[in-house]
Amino acid sequence: GAGVSQSPRYKVAKRGQDVALRCDPISGHVSLFWYQQALGQGPEFLTYFQNEAQLDKSGLPSDRFFAERPEGSVSTLKIQRTQQEDSAVYLCASSSTRQVLAKNIQYFGAGTRLSVL
Amino acid sequence: SQQGEEDPQALSIQEGENATMNCSYKTSINNLQWYRQNSGRGLVHLILIRSNEREKHSGRLRVTLDTSKKSSSLLITASRAADTASYFCANYQGAQKLVFGQGTRLTINP
Repeated sequence: GAGVSQSPRYKVAKRGQDVALRCDPISGHVSLFWYQQALGQGPEFLTYFQNEAQLDKSGLPSDRFFAERPEGSVSTLKIQRTQQEDSAVYLCASSSTRQVLAKNIQYFGAGTRLSVL
Repeated sequence: SQQGEEDPQALSIQEGENATMNCSYKTSINNLQWYRQNSGRGLVHLILIRSNEREKHSGRLRVTLDTSKKSSSLLITASRAADTASYFCANYQGAQKLVFGQGTRLTINP
């Protein structure tokens, strides 16, 4: 596709449920990022992939959060045993090259709005 | 917090006026970027200013950077209703992690 695609756009989960959020990056993009955006705040970094390798997961808030990108293309962010504080918009971004120099433009998807009841 | 600080948090102006928003960081500036986010949508990249640049223009946008003060400003000239959105600055921490500001909510009144 032309841009970064995320699904679903909206997800309502009961507390304790597991959820899986999908990201389709721009075709050929090497780098993929996940961010969490709370209401009224800026996005906060969760994790970074270069191809299939997860090189930085320092932003994942707990061990209930898990991300994968097994074939270096589509990525899934999984949240186990969801809590109310997990309610946020989860944004995926991709960029065309390796993040060697801090200059790459990241292209964002529209996000998945997760509401945990 | 390493998050960028933006001011004002909200700005409401009349169509045709100029809008200025500011951003500052506690850490050093490293190729600072500005993004726009319309309600319920993803972020759209507006402009990147490199650490060795002081000013950059793109259409109606003008960005300045002061690395000694670790701050940047975004000026939108001749504002339009379609400029209504939230604007975020973003600074790289290391080579991989973008650290965003809290955003400025801009409203352009017709």
